[in-house]
Amino acid sequence: QVQLQESGPGLVKPSETLSLTCTVSGYSISSGYYWGWIRQPPGKGLEWIGSIYHSGSTYYNPSLKSRVTVSLDTSKNQFSLKLSSVTAADTAVYYCARRTSSSSWYYWGQGTLVTVSS
Amino acid sequence: QSALTQPASVSGSPGQSITISCTGTSSDVGGYDYVSWYQQHPGKAPKLMIFDVSNRPSGVSNRFSGSKSGNTASLTISGLQAEDEADYYCSSYASSSNVVFGGGTKLTVL
Repeated sequence: QVQLQESGPGLVKPSETLSLTCTVSGYSISSGYYWGWIRQPPGKGLEWIGSIYHSGSTYYNPSLKSRVTVSLDTSKNQFSLKLSSVTAADTAVYYCARRTSSSSWYYWGQGTLVTVSS
Repeated sequence: QSALTQPASVSGSPGQSITISCTGTSSDVGGYDYVSWYQQHPGKAPKLMIFDVSNRPSGVSNRFSGSKSGNTASLTISGLQAEDEADYYCSSYASSSNVVFGGGTKLTVL
C-alpha cells in the first residue's frame, strides 16, 4: 500500500522560503513514476505546483517556475518542495502525490496547511 | 497555462444523473486523451475517480463515467446518491509534462 505524508513548518514569514518534505512508504521513489506537489488555497481550487520524475527530471507550473524547486532524496525515500519569496497568496493546503505518465494523481498525502504571515 | 473551465455548481436529486463539463483548449484537453476527474469531500484529499478520459480506477463505482469531445471533457454521475455530494475537479496533461486543473464544481444532492 503506497502512502505519502507531508511534513514541514505550518507557518512561514513573508519573503522567506517555504520548505516541505513528502515521505513515501510502500514504494521506492527511484523505481518509477512522477512525484509532485499540488496546493489548494482556503476555499479555492487545486493548483499544480511541480513534478519530478524518478530519474530526477523536473517540471514546474510556468506561473511559479521562478520560485519553485522540487528534489528527490532516494536514500530517505522522500521528495521535497521549496518555494521562495512567499507572500500571503501562497497560504494553502499543500499536497504531495504520485502521478502516472498520463498525468493522473492516484496516491495523495493528507495535505498540510501552510500559512504565510508575519 | 490557464485553468480549465468548470461550472461553479451543479445539483441533482437522488437517483438522477448529472454531468459536469470541463472546457480547455487544443493545448490541453483537446490535444491529449489524458483527462482525469477527482472527488474531494470537505477537509479530505482529492480522490481519483476517472483517468485517461473514461477509465475508472479499481474500486470506483460504475455510476461514474467520463467522456470527451473536442476541447470539452465531461463527468457523468448516474443514480445520484447523497454520498456523491462533494467538489469535483478535472485535470489535463498540457504538454511538456505540465498539468492543469479546473476551477472545481460543487455538487449538491438535493
